[in-house]
Amino acid sequence: EAQVTQNPRYLITVTGKKLTVTCSQNMNHEYMSWYRQDPGLGLRQIYYSMNVEVTDKGDVPEGYKVSRKEKRNFPLILESPSPNQTSLYFCASSLRHSSYEQYFGPGTRLTVT
Amino acid sequence: SQQGEEDPQALSIQEGENATMNCSYKTSINNLQWYRQNSGRGLVHLILIRSNEREKHSGRLRVTLDTSKKSSSLLITASRAADTASYFCATLSNDYKLSFGAGTTVTVRA
Repeated sequence: EAQVTQNPRYLITVTGKKLTVTCSQNMNHEYMSWYRQDPGLGLRQIYYSMNVEVTDKGDVPEGYKVSRKEKRNFPLILESPSPNQTSLYFCASSLRHSSYEQYFGPGTRLTVT
Repeated sequence: SQQGEEDPQALSIQEGENATMNCSYKTSINNLQWYRQNSGRGLVHLILIRSNEREKHSGRLRVTLDTSKKSSSLLITASRAADTASYFCATLSNDYKLSFGAGTTVTVRA
């Protein structure tokens, strides 16, 4: 089944404790991206990647890192999480770039205390 | 930056009625996409309309685009309980930046 998977789905952590949210797609998509969703603000893009080893900042990249060593994986790293990063995070992928339909993962609900 | 803005923020309708929501945006676009999100889940792509198209249909969905007014509308006909969800428009700028609005929450009452 074609899908985007994210792990973990739920995470409660403390300020400053490094964490990684994994994202994987099995559709051979070139384009992958991370969004955060907060009430009343819609989805805001954190980082995106046009292909392996090519990443770029979205609208809200501060406090996040990404890497794209393999085509299928695009992990999101929070080196020192803070409470304002409490949010619902989505990974998405598409065939080539953002002009194609986006396939979204199920989401990761992160709480930073 | 949030380019698309949906209106209304929330909509409650009876099963069988039509639901219409609008999306307005500020700058020129390459295409506009509509997505559905069921509570707490990932977004699902519904329909994509290109800047040179005026109307598209997919099943019970009808999307219009008026580039002169910088607006789009999504119509869901003969709504069902399963249509209860949040609906988002996403605008793609000419430099391939995809921006989502805050969404319209639709509740379909039985």
